[in-house]
Amino acid sequence: GESVGLHLPTLSVQEGDNSIINCAYSNSASDYFIWYKQESGKGPQFIIDIRSNMDKRQGQRVTVLLNKTVKHLSLQIAATQPGDSAVYFCAEILDTGGFKTIFGAGTRLFVKA
Amino acid sequence: NAGVTQTPKFQVLKTGQSMTLQCAQDMNHNSMYWYRQDPGMGLRLIYYSASEGTTDKGEVPNGYNVSRLNKREFSLRLESAAPSQTSVYFCASRSGTGGRNTIYFGEGSWLTVV
Repeated sequence: GESVGLHLPTLSVQEGDNSIINCAYSNSASDYFIWYKQESGKGPQFIIDIRSNMDKRQGQRVTVLLNKTVKHLSLQIAATQPGDSAVYFCAEILDTGGFKTIFGAGTRLFVKA
Repeated sequence: NAGVTQTPKFQVLKTGQSMTLQCAQDMNHNSMYWYRQDPGMGLRLIYYSASEGTTDKGEVPNGYNVSRLNKREFSLRLESAAPSQTSVYFCASRSGTGGRNTIYFGEGSWLTVV
């Protein structure tokens, strides 16, 4: 079935360290994968996306890695800052004529000062 | 440019009451979505609309109806609210053109059914 899940529900890191948030997905037909950040009381915000024909994409302080062989997605945050504390969701987009987006359960990132 | 605007922000309903959550986007996006988010959980797709005039069920459509009134507006209706529908509801929209896949979310509507 369609499902996107995360390996770790919570992650605690020291300020300045790198963070790695993992995600497993089950639908090999997905066309895109997106990482979202959600701060308390707000809607999710786009961080970075990656097409299914790519294995790596870099943004500002973030890198997304896609391993289609094991259906695994990760988000790496460099030099984690207190403002990075939030819940992070991975999502897969199925191009079924509407680009239905299925979200995983989320990982809460705590950044210790 | 307000992005995605949804109302109301907060609502308390009694079991069996009906209500409609309103959503509007000013980005000329084709696709619109309604999600619910329960405490400590991810977002689950209720309904989506790929384009004006079309709607499709998502993962958890039971107990809900939607209307894509025009390109800007996509409403979610609870005909007979149940306590299990207590949740935070997010409306979202997506361009659907030019390879852009970013979904833009509203600020959420907190619904409590007692």
